[in-house]
Amino acid sequence: DVKVTQSSRYLVKRTGEKVFLECVQDMDHENMFWYRQDPGLGLRLIYFSYDVKMKEKGDIPEGYSVSREKKERFSLILESASTNQTSMYLCASSFQEGTADTQYFGPGTRLTVL
Amino acid sequence: GNSVTQMEGPVTLSEEAFLTINCTYTATGYPSLFWYVQYPGEGLQLLLKATKADDKGSNKGFEATYRKETTSFHLEKGSVQVSDSAVYFCALSDGGGFKTIFGAGTRLFVKA
Repeated sequence: DVKVTQSSRYLVKRTGEKVFLECVQDMDHENMFWYRQDPGLGLRLIYFSYDVKMKEKGDIPEGYSVSREKKERFSLILESASTNQTSMYLCASSFQEGTADTQYFGPGTRLTVL
Repeated sequence: GNSVTQMEGPVTLSEEAFLTINCTYTATGYPSLFWYVQYPGEGLQLLLKATKADDKGSNKGFEATYRKETTSFHLEKGSVQVSDSAVYFCALSDGGGFKTIFGAGTRLFVKA
């Protein structure tokens, strides 16, 4: 069964802290994605990766970085957390490039920055 | 650029009512279209998809038809259940890269 897991369901951090969100998939997927989900805005793509050590900026990369050292793991890093990064963060993976490619999502991490 | 517009929620229905959630899109070329569903406390999961014009996607009693002439992909279900309460996202993938564009989501409440 397809599985995408995220390291935490809920996280509370202070302004200025460095934050790591981890995502692991067990499907041998090439592509992995990080989104943030905010009410009324849907899902917005932060970064994605189509191969190990490869990364591409999405629509809202400012304030974030990513790391993909192994195929199954994709980390999102907030270098210095700010209150406007309080959000739900969703990780997803997909098998290959293609118009009909389904994305598989993790359960999400709700991050609160105080 | 590509975009997806779906009806604002929340939508509140009684059990066994008919459901329609409207979705229209703007895209160059021939995108694939998707409906994802997010149940409370969970991530998104694919509900159905259609890859070309006039295709009908269906799953769990839900269906949607890819209408190129009206650039629409409306979600329908003939008789909703309380367990259908969730947020529904319309999305498109244009095949030009790896990106999927999501709509803002429509929250559905079904009352017993």
